[in-house]
Amino acid sequence: GAVVSQHPSRVICKSGTSVKIECRSLDFQATTMFWYRQFPKQSLMLMATSNEGSKATYEQGVEKDKFLINHASLTLSTLTVTSAHPEDSSFYICSASRSSDTPTQYFGPGTRLTVL
Amino acid sequence: AQSVTQLGSHVSVSEGALVLLRCNYSSSVPPYLFWYVQYPNQGLQLLLKYTSAATLVKGINGFEAEFKKSETSFHLTKPSAHMSDAAEYFCAVSDRVQGAQKLVFGQGTRLTINP
Repeated sequence: GAVVSQHPSRVICKSGTSVKIECRSLDFQATTMFWYRQFPKQSLMLMATSNEGSKATYEQGVEKDKFLINHASLTLSTLTVTSAHPEDSSFYICSASRSSDTPTQYFGPGTRLTVL
Repeated sequence: AQSVTQLGSHVSVSEGALVLLRCNYSSSVPPYLFWYVQYPNQGLQLLLKYTSAATLVKGINGFEAEFKKSETSFHLTKPSAHMSDAAEYFCAVSDRVQGAQKLVFGQGTRLTINP
């Protein structure tokens, strides 16, 4: 159990366009979902934490207007990168936790974003 | 504030040899501790976790880790390395403050297995 999926796995877009990434918990209800960014050969950087039905909490230095997070249900969270630029190219990973074994986080497979 | 230090950004062992990946944490209270593994271009997979039960924790793929409060350590070991163990390993900590769910990750250790 505790499977998390992400879609798409890979996306290439033009500079100035917006990209939406979906994160789903497939076999459990996620009390909290998290979005991370990972640069090559580096650790994970937490971008934001979201709970269903409430506004996301962003980490310091993360632009909330650029990285829009929506957590509409207990199984779905979306990250929209608005007006993407080449510097936004990165590996984005989501995770989810459930009430039965918090704070354990279960991670999705990641989304590789390339902005041309 | 919590922090995690993984000693050695790169560890190389021979197939069949002991794997030892080091993790030290800094926390004001006994924390929750995790080891995750990441294969190239993939997300993180939970290997094992310590949440206050037995100090020796057994995980998947033959890995285990021992929580040592006196040393503030949670080192990951495997008696005999396999080629498929080659990956990036992350140690993470979360404190026990109610409602706090964030994980703080170490910088990662890349494990290479030599044939």
